[in-house]
Amino acid sequence: DVKVTQSSRYLVKRTGEKVFLECVQDMDHENMFWYRQDPGLGLRLIYFSYDVKMKEKGDIPEGYSVSREKKERFSLILESASTNQTSMYLCASSGTSGRVHEQFFGPGTRLTVL
Amino acid sequence: TQLLEQSPQFLSIQEGENLTVYCNSSSVFSSLQWYRQEPGEGPVLLVTVVTGGEVKKLKRLTFQFGDARKDSSLHITAAQPGDTGLYLCAGAQKLVFGQGTRLTINP
Repeated sequence: DVKVTQSSRYLVKRTGEKVFLECVQDMDHENMFWYRQDPGLGLRLIYFSYDVKMKEKGDIPEGYSVSREKKERFSLILESASTNQTSMYLCASSGTSGRVHEQFFGPGTRLTVL
Repeated sequence: TQLLEQSPQFLSIQEGENLTVYCNSSSVFSSLQWYRQEPGEGPVLLVTVVTGGEVKKLKRLTFQFGDARKDSSLHITAAQPGDTGLYLCAGAQKLVFGQGTRLTINP
């Protein structure tokens, strides 16, 4: 069974802290994604990666960075957390061979920044 | 910018009723995915439609891709409480998600 795991289900941080969100997939997928989900706004793409050490900005990259040192792991970093980054963060992965848009999601991390 | 509009945003119906939710855009998509998301979980892929006019069935769920590949619909027959969730459509090339339809089926 395919699996995407995220390091925390719930996280509470203070304004200005550096925050790391980790995502691991066991499907040997090339592509990995980070989204945030807010009520009424759907899923918005922050960053994605199509290979190790490769990254591309999504629609809302400001305030975030990412790291992909290994194929199975994709990290999202909030350099200096702010209250407007309170959100649900979802990681996803997908393969290639014509199915690149079929994404498998992790359970999400609900981040609260105080 | 490609946009996907889903309607209705909220739908609450009784068990046993039929329903249809819509996903519309002015852009053409090479494929379209439907996901269901339950509270506290990530979205789960239900289906991918690729060809204009394509119809796919998944038990009581029927998915249709518009002829022009700009829109899609999801029809549920005899809805059950287990169908409750947030239904999301997503279109490709550049992957974009609709804002979702939150469906509640009341026993």
